[in-house]
Amino acid sequence: NAGVTQTPKFQVLKTGQSMTLQCAQDMNHNSMYWYRQDPGMGLRLIYYSASEGTTDKGEVPNGYNVSRLNKREFSLRLESAAPSQTSVYFCASQTSLDEWQYFGPGTRLTVT
Amino acid sequence: QKEVEQNSGPLSVPEGAIASLNCTYSDRGSQSFFWYRQYSGKSPELIMFIYSNGDKEDGRFTAQLNKASQYVSLLIRDSQPSDSATYLCAVRASGTYKYIFGTGTRLKVLA
Repeated sequence: NAGVTQTPKFQVLKTGQSMTLQCAQDMNHNSMYWYRQDPGMGLRLIYYSASEGTTDKGEVPNGYNVSRLNKREFSLRLESAAPSQTSVYFCASQTSLDEWQYFGPGTRLTVT
Repeated sequence: QKEVEQNSGPLSVPEGAIASLNCTYSDRGSQSFFWYRQYSGKSPELIMFIYSNGDKEDGRFTAQLNKASQYVSLLIRDSQPSDSATYLCAVRASGTYKYIFGTGTRLKVLA
């Protein structure tokens, strides 16, 4: 039981490049979330998926797209990376019975 | 914009003392409140949640909620150096499953 996994762990991109951050959970949770964490800013919600087939915007969705591929997987795509997207990205999953969110280990992304 | 406010700290307490961490929120309709612990370089880990006014105790941790004052606190009794971390307060925005996090309070427990 791996919990929530994220790939890659680290990534450096040049401005304008695109990439997809992958997240998978093996806990049969319905809801999944993408957050970014910047120094002094706390965690900010980018997108979430309350159930398979649905996605919704969070606080800071601009510049990102998401795909809920199936119940296990929720990916985050940066179409044209910008230096302002340098951050640590966390994926989380949550059951619908309670609000216990389990976080993945994070992806540290640097855009130069 | 719904907000969650925390003092960034650091809050320094001696080993064995009670650490008191505070959080205020702006969304009066919020019903769910959470405390996460985050060690440096690691991901957040949920340690307490509270839905009703009053106190909720779990081991050395007590969460306190006062909806009238829009105030949530976390007490850590018998603080240990291993409790040194950043503590994040989170609130579920009313009518949604979106979670708003505070910027966190850094706690240092001095041996």
